Amino acid sequence: DIQMTQSPSAMSASVGDRVTITCRASQGINNYLVWFQQKPGKVPKRLISDASSLQSGVPSRFSGSGSGTEFTLTISSLQPEDFATYYCLQHKSYPWTFGQGTKVEIK
Amino acid sequence: EVQLVESGGGLVQPGGSLRLSCAASGFTFSNYWMHWVRQAPGKGLVWISRINSDGTGTSYADSVKGRFTISRDNARNTLYLQMNSLRVEDTAVYYCFCLEAPAGEDWGQGTLVTVSS
Repeated sequence: DIQMTQSPSAMSASVGDRVTITCRASQGINNYLVWFQQKPGKVPKRLISDASSLQSGVPSRFSGSGSGTEFTLTISSLQPEDFATYYCLQHKSYPWTFGQGTKVEIK
Repeated sequence: EVQLVESGGGLVQPGGSLRLSCAASGFTFSNYWMHWVRQAPGKGLVWISRINSDGTGTSYADSVKGRFTISRDNARNTLYLQMNSLRVEDTAVYYCFCLEAPAGEDWGQGTLVTVSS
């Protein structure tokens, strides 16, 4: 099984900060990676597909990069509505696996 | 607009069974692979199963293999998850998910399964 190691597990940041979240795959997954945002009590929202393709309607301050085993989600200037938990998902092979999540909290 | 609506959750005793449904609309359901993902209270997302478009191929997470069965009825545009031998640790919100659906329409609202005596 492919393990997805997401870091950090939690972070405190201020509005306007640049935030970077990393997912590392235990083996190469090409670009079969999706990033989701989830707010408490809500359904996950897909932000980025194929490691770097921004979904329609997602603000351009979100970006994704990487291929193979290392991937990053970057929020260029954190906004109040971005405080949430972020997950990566590899869909290269079954069982699909999520990272354990990164909770972004207000500093 | 794609809609995925789960139902069938509830309270069940350990060892019991439950069948979840996910009614799909707004897209050609029979063309797409479908998945179940769960989230225990306060925990992360966990993929548990998938089924291909015509129902002939399935995969499962080790944690549910042999206990859960995914199936679909393309005539009824409905995805199912039969859950047997339920354990306390199966307590979670269960979501149906379609990766190929447009973002924002790819998850159902979830249905809560509580396994407790």
